Amino acid sequence: AQRVTQPEKLLSVFKGAPVELKCNYSYSGSPELFWYVQYSRQRLQLLLRHISRESIKGFTADLNKGETSFHLKKPFAQEEDSAMYYCALSGPSGSRLTFGEGTQLTVNP
Amino acid sequence: KAGVTQTPRYLIKTRGQQVTLSCSPISGHRSVSWYQQTPGQGLQFLFEYFSETQRNKGNFPGRFSGRQFSNSRSEMNVSTLELGDSALYLCASKAQAGINSDTQYFGPGTRLTVL
Repeated sequence: AQRVTQPEKLLSVFKGAPVELKCNYSYSGSPELFWYVQYSRQRLQLLLRHISRESIKGFTADLNKGETSFHLKKPFAQEEDSAMYYCALSGPSGSRLTFGEGTQLTVNP
Repeated sequence: KAGVTQTPRYLIKTRGQQVTLSCSPISGHRSVSWYQQTPGQGLQFLFEYFSETQRNKGNFPGRFSGRQFSNSRSEMNVSTLELGDSALYLCASKAQAGINSDTQYFGPGTRLTVL
């Protein structure tokens, strides 16, 4: 069965500090991994996906198949990064997303 | 392009009733998925429709059903509502080919409250 685990429900950092949101997964096969973000009063939106290997809003995430992890990192957090972050996986087509429970990130001034 | 739209945005029903939620995908997207979001269970996949056919189904009882029309618009129906069906129901659409074809785009959701 496929599963995504985000061990931290809440994460609080100060502006300018590095931030890492953890994500571990289990999947038999080659999953596609995503990070979705939900800002206050906004819809769920894609932040980044592992296949594109890009940096969005200063965030990066590296897929570690050995550790089955896809942690999200940003070297210098900003107050506008405060949001709910969801790690998700799917099969090759990108359909049927399995989400983690989410991590509420708060960046304090 | 306009984003995914969902109607209504809010609904209040009583136990035993049924409800129909509607979703209009991004123009050109033929895949529509539905998710249930609750504080206790998080985001859970309900089903996916593509070209008017259910392509994937999550682990929900048969009271939850859906359909897709030829214009790719989708509806989701919940019959015999239970208190536990209170949730935010999210619709997402996806392109079938090209860049970002693995990306799902979400609507704002329909907040269903069952009393």
